[in-house]
Amino acid sequence: DAKTTQPPSMDCAEGRAANLPCNHSTISGNEYVYWYRQIHSQGPQYIIHGLKNNETNEMASLIITEDRKSSTLILPHATLRDTAVYYCIVRALFAGGTSYGKLTFGQGTILTVHP
Amino acid sequence: DVKVTQSSRYLVKRTGEKVFLECVQDMDHENMFWYRQDPGLGLRLIYFSYDVKMKEKGDIPEGYSVSREKKERFSLILESASTNQTSMYLCASSLAGLAGGKGIGGTQYFGPGTRLTVL
Repeated sequence: DAKTTQPPSMDCAEGRAANLPCNHSTISGNEYVYWYRQIHSQGPQYIIHGLKNNETNEMASLIITEDRKSSTLILPHATLRDTAVYYCIVRALFAGGTSYGKLTFGQGTILTVHP
Repeated sequence: DVKVTQSSRYLVKRTGEKVFLECVQDMDHENMFWYRQDPGLGLRLIYFSYDVKMKEKGDIPEGYSVSREKKERFSLILESASTNQTSMYLCASSLAGLAGGKGIGGTQYFGPGTRLTVL
């Protein structure tokens, strides 16, 4: 899987949009951009994923640049419960191989939402 | 709604005890995974199962075994718990991959985790 780079920490005011960047300059054509988050002492929670088009669901929006070398996760109205570590991962989907699709989390971005 | 449950959120065991961690998913997923997560080491894959009674070793299988008798249930067994197995244990599931089920599958969904302490 391609390597990703994220800022170690970010702050956001409650009610404002949180924009979390991720660089993945070595992404391959068949690799998707995935976002998970992990609230302290809980299991990782899947947020969203995309290939090249922008994606939106009930939790967030994912904006992927045209060259696919970077992306931004947007939480449109951050709340205190969004305080967590956010992980950006690039991985293939439904592909062959022997890695079984194991996930590898980097250091992620610690997002702190302030009142 | 996606649901992966784990039998315990917190568990304290003594060295040498046999420990069972249970994971159940209700999404009819073929793939199930056991990871452990430690500070500074990230996620590490212990075992993977792509079908009932089928299993593959991950990166750190030593000291662990697994059982998958039913599609929805995947158990992790610590044969003789040791202090270096104190960790957060995470179960995940996904749809099957290609290549006879052994390839990279779909989105992985995680359970809440079990924080195991071995004294």
